[in-house]
Amino acid sequence: SAVISQKPSRDICQRGTSLTIQCQVDSQVTMMFWYRQQPGQSLTLIATANQGSEATYESGFVIDKFPISRPNLTFSTLTVSNMSPEDSSIYLCSATSLSSYNEQFFGPGTRLTVL
Amino acid sequence: AQKVTQAQTEISVVEKEDVTLDCVYETRDTTYYLFWYKQPPSGELVFLIRRNSFDEQNEISGRYSWNFQKSTSSFNFTITASQVVDSAVYFCALSGAITGGGNKLTFGTGTQLKVEL
Repeated sequence: SAVISQKPSRDICQRGTSLTIQCQVDSQVTMMFWYRQQPGQSLTLIATANQGSEATYESGFVIDKFPISRPNLTFSTLTVSNMSPEDSSIYLCSATSLSSYNEQFFGPGTRLTVL
Repeated sequence: AQKVTQAQTEISVVEKEDVTLDCVYETRDTTYYLFWYKQPPSGELVFLIRRNSFDEQNEISGRYSWNFQKSTSSFNFTITASQVVDSAVYFCALSGAITGGGNKLTFGTGTQLKVEL
């Protein structure tokens, strides 16, 4: 299995600012994803992070609000831009490993509160 | 479109009771994968099981067992002799075949399990 770490683990931010979340995997993975979990809710896929190219966004999510980078096979970032209180959520990075297709592992999440 | 339904929002049991968490799914894919994840109060998602659509054999892992029935599009999860440490939110999830959009997971709304002494 892959071990996934995220930084920061939590943050409290002011309205209108931006936060970049980092996701690091300890082994090469095929696909990386970013999910959002709003308080008391299920997980919703934001986008697939593609290595060396633009991320693929799900309906309702746009690049200007959630720019994503994936410069190599083991690292990705998600930026939450121009934040509002509605962006308060847990943001989770996930990945599928080369050795175990379709077995998806998750990072510990970043708990974001926007005031 | 894919959909996962977990009709039970919250379940409370007394320790040592058996409990079954229901999961019903919808998909047009002929090849798909079903998952269960556990989310304890600390927030991380813990992978429990993956099952592909061609394997309908039930699986048992310690106190955990899973019943996959394609005929009813269900993938239910049973915890035998529940313990307080089983208290968590449990998510059922579905993904399509790798070539059909990859491993994007569609999650159910989760079932909050509370195990009391």
